Amino acid sequence: QVQLVESGGGVVQPGTSLRLSCAVSGFSGAPGFSFSDYAMHWVRQAPGKGLEGVAIIWHDGSHDYYADSVRGRFTISRDNSKNMLYLQMSSLRAEDTAVYFCARDKSSVGVSSLEDWGRGTLVTVSS
Amino acid sequence: QSALTQPPSASGSPGQSVTISCTGTSSDIGSYSYVSWYQQHPDKAPKLIIYEVHKRPFGVPDRFSGSKSGNTASLTVSGLQADDEGDYYCNSYAGGKNLFGTGTKVTVL
Repeated sequence: QVQLVESGGGVVQPGTSLRLSCAVSGFSGAPGFSFSDYAMHWVRQAPGKGLEGVAIIWHDGSHDYYADSVRGRFTISRDNSKNMLYLQMSSLRAEDTAVYFCARDKSSVGVSSLEDWGRGTLVTVSS
Repeated sequence: QSALTQPPSASGSPGQSVTISCTGTSSDIGSYSYVSWYQQHPDKAPKLIIYEVHKRPFGVPDRFSGSKSGNTASLTVSGLQADDEGDYYCNSYAGGKNLFGTGTKVTVL
């Protein structure tokens, strides 16, 4: 069973930076079932609000996509040798306050559904 | 990029059915069969319950069913149970983007 564990959240001031990490485990290593076979997502949920897709990265890291609200400020990346996903967040704003989830896509290029989710890490942007 | 539109709330008595709509556009739901649905209980991570419009992941009961017509997708929960109470979100691929619905709170009366 695939497990995802986010870390790196906390309380930060507006305008500062923060990097979130997501450790992914539970792949069997069988052909076609490893971390490097799947696209990954960051999804956030502001307090009391709905889900918002933040960023997507293809299985090999060759393509990435961002929500308009974070484009130019956030960068998604991955290290397939370590089964790790990252979200570098800069120029943080109060409206970035949310629980950030990492999730595994069923496809390699981010077109399908989010099959496995982490429990989330809370980012609070406040002065 | 706008979120997909869902009704804010839906309800039903135990054993009844409830259907949740998810309205998008010809650029998302209308163009792709990559519509999925997620169930979220309070302070928990979302859980995938329907993918590719109508498919169920292993372990999800057949009381949950999905469909699509034009720019609108639907989730039906039949034989409502107390544990079905929670928030439900639709999601659609939209050509590089991944759009979520506004969410529907389901109450079991």
